[in-house]
Amino acid sequence: DVKVTQSSRYLVKRTGEKVFLECVQDMDHENMFWYRQDPGLGLRLIYFSYDVKMKEKGDIPEGYSVSREKKERFSLILESASTNQTSMYLCASRGGRGGYTFGSGTRLTVV
Amino acid sequence: AQTVTQSQPEMSVQEAETVTLSCTYDTSESDYYLFWYKQPPSRQMILVIRQEAYKQQNATENRFSVNFQKAAKSFSLKISDSQLGDAAMYFCAYRSSPFGGGADGLTFGKGTHLIIQP
Repeated sequence: DVKVTQSSRYLVKRTGEKVFLECVQDMDHENMFWYRQDPGLGLRLIYFSYDVKMKEKGDIPEGYSVSREKKERFSLILESASTNQTSMYLCASRGGRGGYTFGSGTRLTVV
Repeated sequence: AQTVTQSQPEMSVQEAETVTLSCTYDTSESDYYLFWYKQPPSRQMILVIRQEAYKQQNATENRFSVNFQKAAKSFSLKISDSQLGDAAMYFCAYRSSPFGGGADGLTFGKGTHLIIQP
């Protein structure tokens, strides 16, 4: 069964910490995405990548960066975590036919 | 930029009845994909149904069907014979350029929380 795996289901970090959220897919997909999900706001695209070492800003990139050193791994980085980055983070990958597969999310709390 | 609007934050339906979730979108493109995703408490996003804009025929998947009105930019989801397992957040989503090789992400609506009353 194809999978997108997010390394942590729950994470608690302190304000100002550097935070890494990891996502790995086993489908050899070229396209990977990071979304943020907040109640009443739906899912919003933070960053995406269409190839190794390539990245594109989504709708809300401020305060975030990404890294894609290998095709299967796409990392979201919070350089200096703030309380307004407390949220659910969802990773997804997309294959050639347009089908998206999502991870089961990381609920991040910044205190 | 494309926008997706779900005007019903919450809907409630009796088990075995039919419910329709609304979705409208705004775009200037002629080719695109529309999706309905289900997110149960497990948080896993599950694809319910997909519609290609160039297809006039409405997509169906078992008890799930859509009413796609391209001119009106409307894409509603009908769930027939509602079951307790249908209880979840439902998100409508849009993606442009279905035949291109670009990495466009999905644009989501804010979601509708569907409650199934036993």
